[in-house]
Amino acid sequence: AQSVSQHNHHVILSEAASLELGCNYSYGGTVNLFWYVQYPGQHLQLLLKYFSGDPLVKGIKGFEAEFIKSKFSFNLRKPSVQWSDTAEYFCAVNVMDAGNMLTFGGGTRLMVKP
Amino acid sequence: GAGVSQSPSNKVTEKGKDVELRCDPISGHTALYWYRQSLGQGLEFLIYFQGNSAPDKSGLPSDRFSAERTGGSVSTLTIQRTQQEDSAVYLCASSFRGGGYEQYFGPGTRLTVT
Repeated sequence: AQSVSQHNHHVILSEAASLELGCNYSYGGTVNLFWYVQYPGQHLQLLLKYFSGDPLVKGIKGFEAEFIKSKFSFNLRKPSVQWSDTAEYFCAVNVMDAGNMLTFGGGTRLMVKP
Repeated sequence: GAGVSQSPSNKVTEKGKDVELRCDPISGHTALYWYRQSLGQGLEFLIYFQGNSAPDKSGLPSDRFSAERTGGSVSTLTIQRTQQEDSAVYLCASSFRGGGYEQYFGPGTRLTVT
């Protein structure tokens, strides 16, 4: 079965620092890739997605992610974080020939100190 | 427009009781998913409905869990003879179609089994 790994469980940054959250998946076939964010007390929201084409995708709020097929990775980046980015971030994968569900990573809790 | 709604937002029940959780997907979305978010297990897929097709039940953890979707819209997740390990946040999501289309999540139902 496919799996998704997020290596950083907790990240603490100061405002204006750069962010990179790692995501690796185990399946070698065709995948759709997603990053979701859950702000405190709110529900999961889509940050960005990759289906095909340009491996560098841009999402909302200045986030971007790069799909590197050879590394089975889809890392999330933001050049300069803000206090309002404090949230939990989830990487998710849909394996196109193995069902329609999302397989989620364990999540990364980001705290941005003002 | 209206997002995915779920009810109740919180449910406390005694061990051994049955519970029903409700999900109203986004209008026009043919695919509906149930996930569970718990401290120990992260976000797990439970069941998927697509139109009038047979549901994908591959994520249901035991035969105490069942779900139905009436008229291709509202869905109910039923847990019979609840156990303490069933305590979690139950999330519903919908998408325009299955097959990797982005999923929109509801706010969840927090179930506590005492």
